[in-house]
Amino acid sequence: DTAVSQTPKYLVTQMGNDKSIKCEQNLGHDTMYWYKQDSKKFLKIMFSYNNKELIINETVPNRFSPKSPDKAHLNLHINSLELGDSAVYFCASSPFRSANQPQHFGDGTRLSIL
Amino acid sequence: GENVEQHPSTLSVQEGDSAVIKCTYSDSASNYFPWYKQELGKRPQLIIDIRSNVGEKKDQRIAVTLNKTAKHFSLHITETQPEDSAVYFCAASRGTGFQKLVFGTGTRLLVSP
Repeated sequence: DTAVSQTPKYLVTQMGNDKSIKCEQNLGHDTMYWYKQDSKKFLKIMFSYNNKELIINETVPNRFSPKSPDKAHLNLHINSLELGDSAVYFCASSPFRSANQPQHFGDGTRLSIL
Repeated sequence: GENVEQHPSTLSVQEGDSAVIKCTYSDSASNYFPWYKQELGKRPQLIIDIRSNVGEKKDQRIAVTLNKTAKHFSLHITETQPEDSAVYFCAASRGTGFQKLVFGTGTRLLVSP
């Protein structure tokens, strides 16, 4: 009955590889987000999709490409992984039509680049 | 764009004491201010939020105050317990149709028994 679920929970890989993280929400929300939390615990938004349409794209390297096949799923693909990509990546979702509604976070994916 | 500053970065209190965490924001159009608690290795979880049409909101031992003129808001935890130990984040957004939450840098709260 997990509301926002991410897979995998842990991802350890070599520099230069390509990897994907998947996110699914069963809350019926229209908007989904990807956040990056670095080693200092700073949480920063990367992308947001509303009903499969990209609405927020912060200054993220174009090695990161989000994909939303439907409004319940938002995946993150990362090409040519670098050491600085090591972080915890959180997916979140919220309703769209009702502004100022809480965002619900997934459990996070801890990405470690060797 | 919005900038949110949060203080202190760490806060140590004795069980039963009160704890106060303060945040300031820069965008006067921001109108939604949530607070998240993140335990070690866990997801951020919303504990309370306030919208710009109210000045204070309380939920049991937790309260949040908002001063729109000064552009700052604060989290107050009374009768702290060891299980309150976590990192707390404030955030702000305009909330116009979709949310772009800008988070503060976090406060590590340690409650000693």
